[in-house]
Amino acid sequence: EDKVVQSPLSLVVHEGDTVTLNCSYEVTNFRSLLWYKQEKKAPTFLFMLTSSGIEKKSGRLSSILDKKELFSILNITATQTGDSAVYLCAGDTQGGSEKLVFGKGTKLTVNP
Amino acid sequence: SQTIHQWPATLVQPVGSPLSLECTVEGTSNPNLYWYRQAAGRGLQLLFYSVGIGQISSEVPQNLSASRPQDRQFILSSKKLLLSDSGFYLCAWSAVVPGKLFFGSGTQLSVL
Repeated sequence: EDKVVQSPLSLVVHEGDTVTLNCSYEVTNFRSLLWYKQEKKAPTFLFMLTSSGIEKKSGRLSSILDKKELFSILNITATQTGDSAVYLCAGDTQGGSEKLVFGKGTKLTVNP
Repeated sequence: SQTIHQWPATLVQPVGSPLSLECTVEGTSNPNLYWYRQAAGRGLQLLFYSVGIGQISSEVPQNLSASRPQDRQFILSSKKLLLSDSGFYLCAWSAVVPGKLFFGSGTQLSVL
């Protein structure tokens, strides 16, 4: 059975800290790994990773994929209170249907 | 630009009552459409997806059903709600890029 496991499940930090969120996956016919941010309701897309070792970066957020060890990390530097959210990781499979296997998410709280 | 609308935002229904949640996408044609459920402490669970009008695939057995009467409209229904149907329901669409989903704002359903 396909599964995606995220750790930690929750994390509390102070503004300015750097955080690393982890995601391991076991997904049949793996195609890509995606990260989403869910602040209140609708998850919003952050990154899609398909190749090992190539970092994707957007401002203070960055992510990298290791297809050999089957994991990905999401880094956030100089955290701000606006980074407080649930971060979701998802594995995308090949096989003719567009569906993602989601992890339970990491709830990040950034205190001022 | 593409937008996705989902309503209602919250819904409280008695056990045994019917359900109809609606989702529409604007600004794109022939999108793939999805219904997800997010229960407390659990990841996003895919319920249904559709690649075209009248084409519905179900991922988990349940007392819910989905329909796609128009290209941009996706409806989640139930004839008789169960307590276990409570949760946060998200509609989403994807286009050409596999796996990259755009989510609606969700419906918080409480079955009492």
